Amino acid sequence: QKEVEQDPGPLSVPEGAIVSLNCTYSNSAFQYFMWYRQYSRKGPELLMYTYSSGNKEDGRFTAQVDKSSKYISLFIRDSQPSDSATYLCAMSDRGSTLGRLYFGRGTQLTVWP
Amino acid sequence: SAVISQKPSRDICQRGTSLTIQCQVDSQVTMMFWYRQQPGQSLTLIATANQGSEATYESGFVIDKFPISRPNLTFSTLTVSNMSPEDSSIYLCSVGEFNEQFFGPGTRLTVL
Repeated sequence: QKEVEQDPGPLSVPEGAIVSLNCTYSNSAFQYFMWYRQYSRKGPELLMYTYSSGNKEDGRFTAQVDKSSKYISLFIRDSQPSDSATYLCAMSDRGSTLGRLYFGRGTQLTVWP
Repeated sequence: SAVISQKPSRDICQRGTSLTIQCQVDSQVTMMFWYRQQPGQSLTLIATANQGSEATYESGFVIDKFPISRPNLTFSTLTVSNMSPEDSSIYLCSVGEFNEQFFGPGTRLTVL
């Protein structure tokens, strides 16, 4: 069993839709949870970073962490064609510079106009 | 956030040869990391490179295959040695800064 599971999709939605992206994990020691966005042929770009359980909102993006279920989500409201990318969840069990990150395989999202 | 550049951006190499990938950061950072992203697979950490000490390799990766240098706080190199087609992948460096990690654009390597 992989430590981080993420459905690779692809996911295709119309512009304006609410998108839900999810990851599950098995290591209860994970405390830090991240979402990265990766455009084609680019490096991953950090979108949001959450410590422990709860919600965090940044503009159209909301990250949720449910440690009891070992489940994290990223919601994108009013999705735009520019949101089309691969979204990677990542996790760490340590602070400071986070050390090793454990990644999901990424979900490929297409938002069509 | 730190700005990270990598060279080369892509390369096509013959099996049995070696390629050195450079990672340059625009600020001094303590921890740098090297990851591999194989097609359809998750990003996987190869090693952690701290300035002034030997790199720490993850399980499945060895120094003879992936030697790393970290001569100062803004620069690191990863060499992929004695390459085979299975080494075809994207190689990325990242830096740790204030509880976050930032990634470079990656080096796309194809081994024939």
